[in-house]
Amino acid sequence: AQKVTQAQTEISVVEKEDVTLDCVYETRDTTYYLFWYKQPPSGELVFLIRRNSFDEQNEISGRYSWNFQKSTSSFNFTITASQVVDSAVYFCALSEWIGTSGTYKYIFGTGTRLKVLA
Amino acid sequence: DTEVTQTPKHLVMGMTNKKSLKCEQHMGHRAMYWYKQKAKKPPELMFVYSYEKLSINESVPSRFSPECPNSSLLNLHLHALQPEDSALYLCASSQGAQGLSYEQYFGPGTRLTVT
Repeated sequence: AQKVTQAQTEISVVEKEDVTLDCVYETRDTTYYLFWYKQPPSGELVFLIRRNSFDEQNEISGRYSWNFQKSTSSFNFTITASQVVDSAVYFCALSEWIGTSGTYKYIFGTGTRLKVLA
Repeated sequence: DTEVTQTPKHLVMGMTNKKSLKCEQHMGHRAMYWYKQKAKKPPELMFVYSYEKLSINESVPSRFSPECPNSSLLNLHLHALQPEDSALYLCASSQGAQGLSYEQYFGPGTRLTVT
């Protein structure tokens, strides 16, 4: 079965520290997509990044970077020089194709709550 | 405009009430979703509409009734809810439901309390 594991339930860091959020996934599919979402206290999930199974290049967007390694089934997320505004719950998700309905859905990890202290 | 709006923001209802949650998007997306999220848990998928047709119902109790009047609107009708139904209800949309790669855009949610 498809599964996403975010083993870190909660992480606290002091502002300006770097922090890495781990995501490990399981899938039998050869084509799949992985996503990261941020959920600030306001509630809505904000899309951060999508990565497909054929593209193992790391990605950097400002202070955010992502490391995708198929060999270890991991898609980790690093925030450099963290800021208080980064405080949120971060979810990793895997797209799963539901053949019977002809649609896909997300398999979410349990989330990692990041607290950045001033 | 990458916005999904939801109304109301907060709702308190008794177990015998009937109420509706509303969701709207104007991004031309053809798939819309309802999720339920309990505290400290990930969102749980409830329903998926693709091209205004219900394509996934995750065995949700019949006291939740979704409706998709057109491609921009999604409603969730609530009737005879239980206190354990209290949660944050999130609406999302995506370009389509057939593509593994489509990201979903989420609304801010409706925080529902059933008394």
